[in-house]
Order: sequence, then C-alpha cells, then structure tokens
Amino acid sequence: GDSVTQMEGPVTLSEEAFLTINCTYTATGYPSLFWYVQYPGEGLQLLLKATKADDKGSNKGFEATYRKETTSFHLEKGSVQVSDSAVYFCALSDQTQETSGSRLTFGEGTQLTVNP
Amino acid sequence: EPEVTQTPSHQVTQMGQEVILRCVPISNHLYFYWYRQILGQKVEFLVSFYNNEISEKSEIFDDQFSVERPDGSNFTLKIRSTKLEDSAMYFCASRYYGYTFGSGTRLTVV
Repeated sequence: GDSVTQMEGPVTLSEEAFLTINCTYTATGYPSLFWYVQYPGEGLQLLLKATKADDKGSNKGFEATYRKETTSFHLEKGSVQVSDSAVYFCALSDQTQETSGSRLTFGEGTQLTVNP
Repeated sequence: EPEVTQTPSHQVTQMGQEVILRCVPISNHLYFYWYRQILGQKVEFLVSFYNNEISEKSEIFDDQFSVERPDGSNFTLKIRSTKLEDSAMYFCASRYYGYTFGSGTRLTVV
C-alpha cells in the first residue's frame, strides 16, 4: 500500500537558519503530495501541495518540489523564524483531492523548534 | 475563515466504556473523515463519509467503531467498549476541494 516516510525529528534550529525536512513516498499510482503543519493546540493546516511531477508547491516561504524520479517531496525554507515552530507532516493522496474518497496517508511528523 | 469544530478537546474514559466524539464540519463540505494519531505515531485514516454513508474505511475501523451524521450538522465517531490502545488524538476533517481539519480530541482510556 501507499506509505510516506519523513526524516526523524525533532529538529532544532536557530532563527534564520536553512530548513530541510526530507520526505519520501511509495505509491502505486500518481499521488498528490502535501505538507501539513500543526501549531500547538491547533488542527492540521495545509501548508502546500503539488499534484504532478516537477510541480513546486510554495507558501509562507516554504517550498517543496514533487520529484517522481526520487519519489521525494522535501520541504525547504531559506530562513526560519521562531513562529515556524510546529509539527510538519508530509502526506499523499492516491487521487487528486478534487475527486471522491481521497484518503490521506501521512508521514510520522517532524517537530521543528526554532530558537531566537 | 470557516472551521471544523471538535468537542471535547480532551476526554478521559474508563476502559470498557463507550465514548462519542463530536465534530461540526464546514456546512457546505461534502466529505467527512476521522483520523487518529496515537502518541508518537503516524496520523492514520479511519473512515470517510459521503452522502450519509461510509465511503471508505481502514482496517482499524472495525465493529468497535461507528460514525453518524445525525442531524445534518454534527458528525460523530462512537467507540464502543474502549480499550487502552484506543488512547489517541482523534481528528475530524471535512472536504469540498481541500481538507479542513479540526483541532482534535485527545482521548485517554484508563
């Protein structure tokens, strides 16, 4: 079945450092890929998405590129802020979210702490 | 911005008791979901619900679990005869195009 593997956490960085959180996936079809973020005490929020190979999702300074050849969707940010401290989840859907069903398969989540 | 609301935020229950977790999805959304996250583990799909019936369920979603949309606004997850291993964060989500998740209910079975 489908699966998502994220780099192990937690990750601790200083403000303005470069962030990479690795994500690789296994899927039988052509999945859509997502990054979700969970701030303390809140629900899962969509951070960015990509629906086909070589698409780049971006939001709030975060980027991730759908790499079919390496089955990866690594999350990057050039300069993190204290407010980026949260748990980040990589996920895939085996259909685009515009069609029915579309369960999400999540990675383990990576706790990011950014210190001032 | 519309939100998915889950209540309670935290529930403690005795092993063997029944619990009902409640969710109010976004009103014009068509698909409804429950996911759970056992502490330190992945977020796992439990069930999806569309047009007043289950559209898909995982192997986790056995006869112990049931879902209902009793009144057109609430969406509930019932867990019968809770076990210690049911302790987890349970997330409700609704979807029109993109997903919107609630903040979760932390269920602790003692």
